[in-house]
Amino acid sequence: NAGVTQTPKFQVLKTGQSMTLQCAQDMNHEYMSWYRQDPGMGLRLIHYSVGAGITDQGEVPNGYNVSRSTTEDFPLRLLSAAPSQTSVYFCASRSTGNTEAFFGQGTRLTVV
Amino acid sequence: GQNIDQPTEMTATEGAIVQINCTYQTSGFNGLFWYQQHAGEAPTFLSYNVLDGLEEKGRFSSFLSRSKGYSYLLLKELQMKDSASYLCADRGSTLGRLYFGRGTQLTVWP
Repeated sequence: NAGVTQTPKFQVLKTGQSMTLQCAQDMNHEYMSWYRQDPGMGLRLIHYSVGAGITDQGEVPNGYNVSRSTTEDFPLRLLSAAPSQTSVYFCASRSTGNTEAFFGQGTRLTVV
Repeated sequence: GQNIDQPTEMTATEGAIVQINCTYQTSGFNGLFWYQQHAGEAPTFLSYNVLDGLEEKGRFSSFLSRSKGYSYLLLKELQMKDSASYLCADRGSTLGRLYFGRGTQLTVWP
């Protein structure tokens, strides 16, 4: 089973560039989320989705967009990269009810 | 749920027992998860509690007291490979969301 697949694993961007972080899951999970993890800050929720066509903002949504056109895919778009967006990004999915989240392997993004 | 608080760091020696505490806001609570995260890796699921009491899984156990807004993760017979960050997460009342604490960095010494 592939589980949750994130690409790329590493990325360096220049300030002002845009890019899309890809996330796909093959477990037919309804819920998907994007988190960023910075030293000492734990996992902070950027955006999340409870199903295809439905997205909502988390704690730190500014500078990021998401869409959920299919159950499987939940891409995260950085509109105009800033050094403050240097972080490790995790995508997660889980099914409805009292179930655990499965995480992708993360994307380490550096904005210079 | 939310307002999750857990210690930043803990240390222990191999073979010992360590208890990592987590407190959360009781209103809107719907269940509590514990995750383990090794440096440079993704979090992995350890346990889930929604009812009061102790859930045991091998060397790891998790306890919940809903009335006190309190949970702990108990790690027995510590091994070097248990050195990791342990994250407490609250399901909360908002559909689809998980609220994570900042994590407790556990270092196991030989």
